[in-house]
Amino acid sequence: GENVEQHPSTLSVQEGDSAVIKCTYSDSASNYFPWYKQELGKRPQLIIDIRSNVGEKKDQRIAVTLNKTAKHFSLHITETQPEDSAVYFCAAREGAGKSTFGDGTTLTVKP
Amino acid sequence: DSGVTQTPKHLITATGQRVTLRCSPRSGDLSVYWYQQSLDQGLQFLIHYYNGEERAKGNILERFSAQQFPDLHSELNLSSLELGDSALYFCASSQGAGDTGELFFGEGSRLTVL
Repeated sequence: GENVEQHPSTLSVQEGDSAVIKCTYSDSASNYFPWYKQELGKRPQLIIDIRSNVGEKKDQRIAVTLNKTAKHFSLHITETQPEDSAVYFCAAREGAGKSTFGDGTTLTVKP
Repeated sequence: DSGVTQTPKHLITATGQRVTLRCSPRSGDLSVYWYQQSLDQGLQFLIHYYNGEERAKGNILERFSAQQFPDLHSELNLSSLELGDSALYFCASSQGAGDTGELFFGEGSRLTVL
């Protein structure tokens, strides 16, 4: 089955700096790669996603890149703000619909 | 509000007991997924149902079972509960079965086994 590894497990940055979270996956059949943000005590919510036929996608301060050959994808957050502090999960979805999540990255943005 | 409803929000029970968690997906969504999130852990996939049929199984214990009913709501049954089953159980829904679409998560059911 699919295996998703996510790094780093914790990340601390100063407000205004950039943050990068990286994930690798094992199953070349995975074709959809979402990123979810989970604030403390709340449900995960989608912040950005990318499909396997696209290399990069950007939405304001958030961007995701995908390297299918190397089987890795990354989340980039620029100009970080304290409200970006949360746990971020990457995931890889197979054609059958099962999404495998990484273990999460706890991002702390210091004011 | 994601449109996915989970009940109960909190549940405290004793070891050896059995509980049922309920999930109503978003209107129009045919797929329901169950995930387990233990303290400070990631989201562990348990099971996926599409339009009443089981589509995929993760590392779901034999003590756990689930089903999706004709009205598309789903129930996750946890039996012979152990302390280690304490976790936040999320239900998520999506429109199709194998589509590349967003998972909409409910608020979760927090289970505490004493």
